[in-house]
Amino acid sequence: GESVGLHLPTLSVQEGDNSIINCAYSNSASDYFIWYKQESGKGPQFIIDIRSNMDKRQGQRVTVLLNKTVKHLSLQIAATQPGDSAVYFCAEGYSYGGSQGNLIFGKGTKLSVKP
Amino acid sequence: DGGITQSPKYLFRKEGQNVTLSCEQNLNHDAMYWYRQDPGQGLRLIYYSQIVNDFQKGDIAEGYSVSREKKESFPLTVTSAQKNPTAFYLCASLGQSYSNQPQHFGDGTRLSIL
Repeated sequence: GESVGLHLPTLSVQEGDNSIINCAYSNSASDYFIWYKQESGKGPQFIIDIRSNMDKRQGQRVTVLLNKTVKHLSLQIAATQPGDSAVYFCAEGYSYGGSQGNLIFGKGTKLSVKP
Repeated sequence: DGGITQSPKYLFRKEGQNVTLSCEQNLNHDAMYWYRQDPGQGLRLIYYSQIVNDFQKGDIAEGYSVSREKKESFPLTVTSAQKNPTAFYLCASLGQSYSNQPQHFGDGTRLSIL
C-alpha cells in the first residue's frame, strides 16, 4: 500500500464518536490556516480554513479551533465515519514578504476509524 | 470538470536519467506549486510560480528544474543531480497569486528508482 501514513501519529476512534486532531504551528506571524485530508494514493483535499481574526469556524461535521496564544490549531470531526479514515494535515500561511499564498505543512496525523 | 491532472501516476528512473513530471490545470489559476512528500513527512515545497514565465525556488529546489511557459502547465524535471528522488510528488494551484486561499492539489506522481 501507499506509504504516506508511515511513522505518523495515529488517532484511532470508534465509528460515531467525535475526533479531535491537533496541530502546533510554527510561525507566530502566520495568519491563515488550513486543514487538508489525504487518502492513500491521492492528493490532499481541502476541508476547512480559518483566518487569524477568528477563533472558531464550523463546516459540515467539522469545526476548526485556533488558539493564537499557544500557536495551536485543532480539527474536530463530529460523528466520525469510516470514510473519514485518512491522514490529516494542517498548513499555515502568512501575508507578508511576497510569499502570500505559500503554505507550510505539518507532518500529519493518521485517523483510523473502527467500525 | 475543472481540476489538476498529474501524469504519469507512477514513474521509474534509471541512474543518471532526467525525468519530467507533468502537471496541467484547467482552473485558470495563476499560481502553481510542486511539493515532495516522503513517508511520515509533511509536504515540502520544491518550486512555485506566481505568474507565467516566472518561478521561484522553494525549500528543496536542488536537483530539480521547472518551466512555466503556459498558464495551465508547470512541468517538473527531476535531474540526475537529485540523489534521492524516490518520493510522492504533488502539484497544486492557487486561484489568485499572493492570496491566502486553499491550494488545490492533483493526485500525485510516485517516482521510484530502478
